[in-house]
Amino acid sequence: KAGVTQTPRYLIKTRGQQVTLSCSPISGHRSVSWYQQTPGQGLQFLFEYFSETQRNKGNFPGRFSGRQFSNSRSEMNVSTLELGDSALYLCASSLAARTLQETQYFGPGTRLLVL
Amino acid sequence: GQQLNQSPQSMFIQEGEDVSMNCTSSSIFNTWLWYKQDPGEGPVLLIALYKAGELTSNGRLTAQFGITRKDSFLNISASIPSDVGIYFCAGLNAGNNRKLIWGLGTSLAVNP
Repeated sequence: KAGVTQTPRYLIKTRGQQVTLSCSPISGHRSVSWYQQTPGQGLQFLFEYFSETQRNKGNFPGRFSGRQFSNSRSEMNVSTLELGDSALYLCASSLAARTLQETQYFGPGTRLLVL
Repeated sequence: GQQLNQSPQSMFIQEGEDVSMNCTSSSIFNTWLWYKQDPGEGPVLLIALYKAGELTSNGRLTAQFGITRKDSFLNISASIPSDVGIYFCAGLNAGNNRKLIWGLGTSLAVNP
């Protein structure tokens, strides 16, 4: 079974621009979560999507948004980029069964550098 | 955001030594997960724990779900150079909120 894939793997943008990152979950997984990872802050939860609806949200400004398509693929958008948005953006998928006992499987991430 | 207390922050050991790291929280968790992240890659799940007191092994790795449900431990026996990386704990909190809460990671370096 193919793992979680993320595109692009690397991206360089300038301040003020916007960016869209893509994530394809493991086949059959319906939940997709996004995280921002920086050396000092660890993994910070951005949001989770399930059945095309945002189910959970972290404490990030409105410049960070996402969506999920009917095939469970997800995109994340960051508008008006700031230098501090430079980070590794990770996508994780899970089955999203009814119980809380489930685990997330991560993609390789998209490394974003904002200049 | 909320984070788990993971320690130690970093470790530098000799090949063949055993390693121990732990995570603690003031909150109760239903699930504890341990991940390893190699440079430039996403975290990879090592061990998942679902019951208080549970002890689970995966090769040279052993993890335990604390009986108070507020902590977890990961041990690596007879370390090898490929154990190098950052180890993260994550807890799925009790209740309806399904967010995973993460530790800041333990960076492991192994001297051959």
